Amino acid sequence: EAQVTQNPRYLITVTGKKLTVTCSQNMNHEYMSWYRQDPGLGLRQIYYSMNVEVTDKGDVPEGYKVSRKEKRNFPLILESPSPNQTSLYFCASSGNWHGELFFGEGSRLTVL
Amino acid sequence: AQSVSQHNHHVILSEAASLELGCNYSYGGTVNLFWYVQYPGQHLQLLLKYFSGDPLVKGIKGFEAEFIKSKFSFNLRKPSVQWSDTAEYFCAVNPNNAGNMLTFGGGTRLMVKP
Repeated sequence: EAQVTQNPRYLITVTGKKLTVTCSQNMNHEYMSWYRQDPGLGLRQIYYSMNVEVTDKGDVPEGYKVSRKEKRNFPLILESPSPNQTSLYFCASSGNWHGELFFGEGSRLTVL
Repeated sequence: AQSVSQHNHHVILSEAASLELGCNYSYGGTVNLFWYVQYPGQHLQLLLKYFSGDPLVKGIKGFEAEFIKSKFSFNLRKPSVQWSDTAEYFCAVNPNNAGNMLTFGGGTRLMVKP
């Protein structure tokens, strides 16, 4: 089954404790991206990757890092989480360049 | 910077009522347009898309959307909603020279009362 898998789905952590949210897709997609969803703001792009070893900032990259060492994986790293990073995070991938995205099921992160 | 506006943040309808959700965008060039749906507790799924051609596009589950270039709009419609349409709906715009860069609207929460 074609899918985008994120882990963990739910996480409560404390300020400053590094965490990583993993994302993996099994569709051999070149493009992957991370979004955060906040009430009333829709989805805002954090980082995206056009291919292996190619990443770039989205609209709200501050406080986040990513890496793309393999085509299927695109982890999101919060080196020192802060409460304003409490949000619902979605990973997405695409096999074309027209904006048609496949989303993961989301990771709800709470930073205390 | 381009923006996408969804003017209705919350909509409550009874079953069988007709639905129209507004979406306007500010980008002046050629765009690809999307509606995504997020059912409670689930991830976003593509509902329908417009790239070119017939400005009236049909998607899954009886939804359709009309692209009106002069109004920079891409409104979503359904003639008769069902309780299972309760979800959050997001309009998204992709300038067609911008790869997979999508700008999302703020979303519209639809509640359909049985």
